[in-house]
Amino acid sequence: DAGVIQSPRHEVTEMGQEVTLRCKPISGHNSLFWYRQTMMRGLELLIYFNNNVPIDDSGMPEDRFSAKMPNASFSTLKIQPSEPRDSAVYFCASSHGGPYYSNQPQHFGDGTRLSIL
Amino acid sequence: AQKITQTQPGMFVQEKEAVTLDCTYDTSDPSYGLFWYKQPSSGEMIFLIYQGSYDQQNATEGRYSLNFQKARKSANLVISASQLGDSAMYFCAMREAYSGAGSYQLTFGKGTKLSVIP
Repeated sequence: DAGVIQSPRHEVTEMGQEVTLRCKPISGHNSLFWYRQTMMRGLELLIYFNNNVPIDDSGMPEDRFSAKMPNASFSTLKIQPSEPRDSAVYFCASSHGGPYYSNQPQHFGDGTRLSIL
Repeated sequence: AQKITQTQPGMFVQEKEAVTLDCTYDTSDPSYGLFWYKQPSSGEMIFLIYQGSYDQQNATEGRYSLNFQKARKSANLVISASQLGDSAMYFCAMREAYSGAGSYQLTFGKGTKLSVIP
């Protein structure tokens, strides 16, 4: 069974450039999450979609970050313009279930290691 | 106060021995779930095991088991017969049913780095 697929695995770009991270969730999962992982702050939830609708984007750092989910099998996280402090590993995760309690685990992709020079 | 506390930043275990990774949690929710994830050096996050607050028995998945002590609010991960491939970061996480922040959210601990010695 295919897991959550993220691309690219690694991205190195210069400050000010636009960065687009992509995610394909597990087929049949209706919840999708974007996380950021850094040494200092650990894993932080950036945004949560349920049935392709953004439910909670309170974790998005600032207006430079945006996320979309045009259909059930694809999501993007965009940073424009990028800054060195955005360097981190970005994970996409998906699960069954909705905004209310579920015992379903979130399944993570392999992550995108982003470096902004 | 931290919701998930993992007090062991790093641990060593001899190959083939069992090891316990500690996790304590803080919630006033009667309904919640506890999850453990493994993150090898390659970076991916792998779901290992789940325990629900109302589950009567401790969860087990192969060599992984969860020592759930509800009164103590602890959910320790036990790995039996450690293998070299078990060397990784391990994260404990909690989801609360009635959290004002949204019951879909997973709150993660800071992790424990396990090193298996041959």
